[in-house]
Parts: sequence; C-alpha cells; structure tokens
Amino acid sequence: GESVGLHLPTLSVQEGDNSIINCAYSNSASDYFIWYKQESGKGPQFIIDIRSNMDKRQGQRVTVLLNKTVKHLSLQIAATQPGDSAVYFCAEKGATTDSWGKLQFGAGTQVVVTP
Amino acid sequence: NAGVTQTPKFRILKIGQSMTLQCTQDMNHNYMYWYRQDPGMGLKLIYYSVGAGITDKGEVPNGYNVSRSTTEDFPLRLELAAPSQTSVYFCASSYAGGAYEQYFGPGTRLTVT
Repeated sequence: GESVGLHLPTLSVQEGDNSIINCAYSNSASDYFIWYKQESGKGPQFIIDIRSNMDKRQGQRVTVLLNKTVKHLSLQIAATQPGDSAVYFCAEKGATTDSWGKLQFGAGTQVVVTP
Repeated sequence: NAGVTQTPKFRILKIGQSMTLQCTQDMNHNYMYWYRQDPGMGLKLIYYSVGAGITDKGEVPNGYNVSRSTTEDFPLRLELAAPSQTSVYFCASSYAGGAYEQYFGPGTRLTVT
C-alpha cells in the first residue's frame, strides 16, 4: 500500500552545521508534500511545502528538495540552532479526488542539536 | 487569533467510560480533522469534515464519533474507552482540501486504564 517513511529515526547535528532530513514515499501519484516540526508536548507546526511540479523550494533557513524519479523528499536546515531540536515529519497528499485533503504522515525523525 | 484550541490537555479515563474531546478554530476554516499519535509514530487520521454538517471516516475511525454543527467546532466523542485508545489526539484545520497547510492544535493526552 501507500506509505511515507523516513530513513533515519534520529539525527544528531552540531550547532551551526546544516541538517538534512530524508523522506521516502511510495505513491508516485502524490502531488503535494509538506514538512512539519513537532516540539516536545506541542502540536505539529508547518515548516514548508512543495508541489509535485517543483523540484526545490526555499524558505527561511530551510530548503525542500523533491526527486520524483526516486520518490525522495528532503528537508535541509541551514546553520542548525538549538531551537531546531524537534521531531520532523514529512507528509504527502495523493492526487486523486478521494485523497483531496488527506495527508499521509511518516513516522518522524528526531533531530538533536548538540553544542 | 487563537488558531486551533483543544480541551482538555490531559485526561485519564477508566475502561468503558466515555468522553468528548473539544476542538475549536477561529480561522473560519471549512476543513477540520482529528488525528491520533501513538508514541514514536506518525499521525493517523480518525475523522475529517469538509464543512458544517459533513463528516467522514479517516484511517482509524473505530471507537470514535464526530459531529460538526458549526464551522468553528469539531468535537470527537469516545464511547466505551479502551486501552488501545491511549494516545495523543490532535485536531487540525485548513482553509480547503488539497494543497493547503493544516494548522494543528496543542493536543490532548489521553490515558485509558
């Protein structure tokens, strides 16, 4: 069936370095992808999204890359800060009318920023 | 704007009890969602609504019910609570379906013993 998964359950990053969080998806018909950040005890918070007609999108200190050939999504965080410590989820939306707004979430990657 | 608010923040239920998790949004969003998040896992969709009076099942609806009498409120009802319903519950809303960001509430941590 369809699935969204993450390659690394935990990512340890030194403060100031760049972080790269990876996500694999299996539904080639998905047309929208989104990254959320979830701090401990809080709800998910939107970071950045990308549509399937794009390969790259940049935000403030974050970049999302989409490789449809290998069905891979990544989130890059520049100059990682202690406040970036959180669980990061990728989610996808299928392109059918049945999946209009339903997001399928991956299990998440824990990012730990070390001094 | 308060965004999406949820009450209560924490709750402990005994097996067989019932309760309602409240969710309210003040962004005039038509679409609302209920998810559950088990430890170390992603979010699973329980129910969703595309507008007042319209609801539909998500991935894991068994043991839950919802109603949507107003645009703002989307309560989730647990009948006959079971230990398998121990989880963190998140309510979310979005302007529309499709490629629109979902805004999440802070969550309700529920324990059924």
